[in-house]
Amino acid sequence: KAGVTQTPRYLIKTRGQQVTLSCSPISGHRSVSWYQQTPGQGLQFLFEYFSETQRNKGNFPGRFSGRQFSNSRSEMNVSTLELGDSALYLCASSPNAGGDEQYFGPGTRLTVT
Amino acid sequence: QKEVEQDPGPLSVPEGAIVSLNCTYSNSAFQYFMWYRQYSRKGPELLMYTYSSGNKEDGRFTAQVDKSSKYISLFIRDSQPSDSATYLCAMGQNFVFGPGTRLSVLP
Repeated sequence: KAGVTQTPRYLIKTRGQQVTLSCSPISGHRSVSWYQQTPGQGLQFLFEYFSETQRNKGNFPGRFSGRQFSNSRSEMNVSTLELGDSALYLCASSPNAGGDEQYFGPGTRLTVT
Repeated sequence: QKEVEQDPGPLSVPEGAIVSLNCTYSNSAFQYFMWYRQYSRKGPELLMYTYSSGNKEDGRFTAQVDKSSKYISLFIRDSQPSDSATYLCAMGQNFVFGPGTRLSVLP
């Protein structure tokens, strides 16, 4: 079975721009979660989507948003980028909502200059 | 106090040693407990997950959960240089992660 894929793998953007990241979960998995990983804050939960509905949301500003499509693929959008948004953005898929096991993709490394 | 505490290390051990990695947590509602391994510049890789107190073994890895003490551990037997990575504990339905422990296994 193919693993979780994320595109693009690397991105460089400037402050004020917006960015969209994409995630394709493992086939058959219906839950997709997004995380931000930075050296200072570690792995922080952004949100979880299940069956095209946002199920849970972490403590991030409204500039961070996401959506899930009927084929379970998910996108994450960050608007009005700030320098502090530079991070590794990880997507994880799970068979079930709030699942007992998550499988992570390789991440998208976003650099904001 | 953070919800999940984990010693960041770095922890260096000789090849073949038994490694003990630990996390403590404050939220008694946590029911799921997981350990992930993350190599540099890669996404975390699920090693083990468990729901209940007690031990769960998988090859060289043993996960231990003590809900009464709010303490979980991961033991690695016969550690190998390829085990050198950052180990993250995670728990709860929203997957609250510890900061990770950086492990180096020296040949």
